[in-house]
Amino acid sequence: GQQVMQIPQYQHVQEGEDFTTYCNSSTTLSNIQWYKQRPGGHPVFLIQLVKSGEVKKQKRLTFQFGEAKKNSSLHITATQTTDVGTYFCARGTGGFKTIFGAGTRLFVKA
Amino acid sequence: DTEVTQTPKHLVMGMTNKKSLKCEQHMGHRAMYWYKQKAKKPPELMFVYSYEKLSINESVPSRFSPECPNSSLLNLHLHALQPEDSALYLCASSHPPRDKKETQYFGPGTRLLVL
Repeated sequence: GQQVMQIPQYQHVQEGEDFTTYCNSSTTLSNIQWYKQRPGGHPVFLIQLVKSGEVKKQKRLTFQFGEAKKNSSLHITATQTTDVGTYFCARGTGGFKTIFGAGTRLFVKA
Repeated sequence: DTEVTQTPKHLVMGMTNKKSLKCEQHMGHRAMYWYKQKAKKPPELMFVYSYEKLSINESVPSRFSPECPNSSLLNLHLHALQPEDSALYLCASSHPPRDKKETQYFGPGTRLLVL
């Protein structure tokens, strides 16, 4: 259906290591959005990808949208303790409904 | 101003109480949303207002009653809630979807505890 599967559920990394979370759909996505939610906080929009094969960078964060527009990834280079939180991908439906993945919880050990 | 504000930050209520959650945005967004989020789960859509009209109700129990008094304000009226309704209630706003742009801006949420 319209669900997006996100993996892994959680990941523990040592500070300085890289981290990647993946988002997959069985159907073509019109767009994919990424949000970050810090512990005790609220989801904060990071980026939206719309074009097939799109790659966007924000400092240490790299976002990719697959060529078939069925998957996306978020990669963090050299994690820092400030990266701790839950990263959600979310698919737009062309209307007002946005469907969130289950999220990947990132733990960073200093 | 890219901020969505919500009050109160925390709310404790009994099952017979009536309370309201409030949300405000001044970004000129014409779509506003209520989400419910349980611990370690993604936000779950409850209601969507578009141009002050209820556009989506995700089969939410009638003990939750949304209201959109104007384009900047969104309320959620609560009555006779159950303990399982305890959660973080998030308000969000966005421009109406167009050109595949559906970015939503979330408020800080109201942490609700129903006793």
